[in-house]
Amino acid sequence: GAVVSQHPSWVICKSGTSVKIECRSLDFQATTMFWYRQFPKQSLMLMATSNEGSKATYEQGVEKDKFLINHASLTLSTLTVTSAHPEDSSFYICSALGVFSYEQYFGPGTRLTVT
Amino acid sequence: RKEVEQDPGPFNVPEGATVAFNCTYSNSASQSFFWYRQDCRKEPKLLMSVYSSGNEDGRFTAQLNRASQYISLLIRDSKLSDSATYLCVVNQRAGKSTFGDGTTLTVKP
Repeated sequence: GAVVSQHPSWVICKSGTSVKIECRSLDFQATTMFWYRQFPKQSLMLMATSNEGSKATYEQGVEKDKFLINHASLTLSTLTVTSAHPEDSSFYICSALGVFSYEQYFGPGTRLTVT
Repeated sequence: RKEVEQDPGPFNVPEGATVAFNCTYSNSASQSFFWYRQDCRKEPKLLMSVYSSGNEDGRFTAQLNRASQYISLLIRDSKLSDSATYLCVVNQRAGKSTFGDGTTLTVKP
């Protein structure tokens, strides 16, 4: 099956710093990728849809200036959490849309802890 | 009302038991349906797609009732390794997925 990687798998940073998370489709091209956030004991919440070569589409309530998304190639999307605060601590998961467009392949997730 | 609602659980069952999870969705225009499995601190993994005609994969059976906007997952002969959170996922269109909050299953020896 299709493989999606994320890097880093976990990161601890100080409040006020920025963190970049990479999402790569390893064996297929993904024109569309998604970024989700999951808090403990809650389900995945879609943050934004990332389309290669165009601006990301953000879900309601997600600050686009805080969560910067760049989908510069068909295999890479990045999420940058700017000026991170403790409330941004969460599990961030990306996914890429498969060839048939209905199946999503998830990355292993990045656990962000902001101190 | 949430777009996708699941039994909150948790379900605690002995090995060998049969367990059923239910899920309802509110958008009648939804196009495709899935069950995902998520282990603690891991990403969700596709378990199976759900069709109106029913879909069976070994011990797992998924069913869709479009008229009632209801999806089910049946697990027979539960194994310890089935312990996980099961997520009901509904796609309104290609790529627009809504996840249920998940149902936690613990299978005990």
